[in-house]
Amino acid sequence: GAVVSQHPSRVICKSGTSVKIECRSLDFQATTMFWYRQFPKKSLMLMATSNEGSKATYEQGVEKDKFLINHASLTLSTLTVTSAHPEDSSFYICSARSERGPKGGYTFGSGTRLTVV
Amino acid sequence: AQKITQTQPGMFVQEKEAVTLDCTYDTSDPSYGLFWYKQPSSGEMIFLIYQGSYDQQNATEGRYSLNFQKARKSANLVISASQLGDSAMYFCAMREGGNNAGNMLTFGGGTRLMVKP
Repeated sequence: GAVVSQHPSRVICKSGTSVKIECRSLDFQATTMFWYRQFPKKSLMLMATSNEGSKATYEQGVEKDKFLINHASLTLSTLTVTSAHPEDSSFYICSARSERGPKGGYTFGSGTRLTVV
Repeated sequence: AQKITQTQPGMFVQEKEAVTLDCTYDTSDPSYGLFWYKQPSSGEMIFLIYQGSYDQQNATEGRYSLNFQKARKSANLVISASQLGDSAMYFCAMREGGNNAGNMLTFGGGTRLMVKP
């Protein structure tokens, strides 16, 4: 089946620094990757849709200069949280669709728990 | 308006009993897909079951079944013979439009299920 590898699983960083989160599709090509954010005890909210070779599409209210998304290849999408602040602390998770995924096709990374101190 | 509504923030069920988790949805697109995911405390999203809007029969996957009532726009998840390991957050999600790699999932607010021994 389709596998999406997400790293790191946990990261703690200082305020003002940048953090990069990677999502790799291991056994399929992902032309589109979705990035979600989840606050504690809340649902997943779509932040942006990452498209290989073109600019990402951001949801309303998501600062594209703060959350930089790069999808330079068919197997790698990255989310960089720039100049992180404590309010950016959250759980970030990526997803991609593949015919090799479970029924309906969506496969999720294992998520990244970001803590900004 | 909310596209996916889960009205039960928390549910208790006795071990070995069945439980129904509610989900209603709102879309004007005739082609859509409905999903249920389980999210344990580790954060990973575990696919449970999928129902396409044109599927004639209700989906079943082992102990999971989806009670799809199209006219009522509901897609309730039924878990039979609950196990302690079923304790987790459960999310209902919808994909609007056909099977296109670019169509994202929209999630409901989630239901926390707690199985009592």
